[in-house]
Amino acid sequence: GAVVSQHPSWVICKSGTSVKIECRSLDFQATTMFWYRQFPKQSLMLMATSNEGSKATYEQGVEKDKFLINHASLTLSTLTVTSAHPEDSSFYICSASRQLYQPQHFGDGTRLSIL
Amino acid sequence: EDQVTQSPEALRLQEGESSSLNCSYTVSGLRGLFWYRQDPGKGPEFLFTLYSAGEEKEKERLKATLTKKESFLHITAPKPEDSATYLCAVQASGKETSGSRLTFGEGTQLTVNP
Repeated sequence: GAVVSQHPSWVICKSGTSVKIECRSLDFQATTMFWYRQFPKQSLMLMATSNEGSKATYEQGVEKDKFLINHASLTLSTLTVTSAHPEDSSFYICSASRQLYQPQHFGDGTRLSIL
Repeated sequence: EDQVTQSPEALRLQEGESSSLNCSYTVSGLRGLFWYRQDPGKGPEFLFTLYSAGEEKEKERLKATLTKKESFLHITAPKPEDSATYLCAVQASGKETSGSRLTFGEGTQLTVNP
């Protein structure tokens, strides 16, 4: 199988708080991990691509100082939403692939609500 | 710019009523086309990868086909548990790292009534 675990699945916090989301590939090593954002009734919007040990590549319009991505090992990537505000509320989903061009396998997402 | 368009946006079927979902794409060199299933509040679940025109893949009641311009996901005798949003995505040939990114369509929300 190809299992990707994402934690937490749901978080509510106050405006101004920083929130960290973890993405782990449980049964395979992921050379590349991806972070997406999904709004209700819409498709997935890629935020950034990260390779183990190197800086993430952010999509146009995504603030790299706002959404900090760390890919410290072949099984773990983290997304930190810094100084979160209500407009950052969304469903964040990570994915991982074994090698370049292989299928991406997704976690179950994190629903972030900023009050 | 890579583009993926899925139709219809929503589809209601009776149990056992076969149908097809469409995914039209434009991409500068297709490396792969992917089908995913997404249940509410969950991440997408990988179904198929298709790499070249004429290729077909099957899994239970689902069959995916690919031409140079579009892909179809055929659902034969669907059951209520097949209800979900089906997403199509393309991966273009390109530079490393950026070449592995997926461009998703908006999805088709399928409802199968018992």
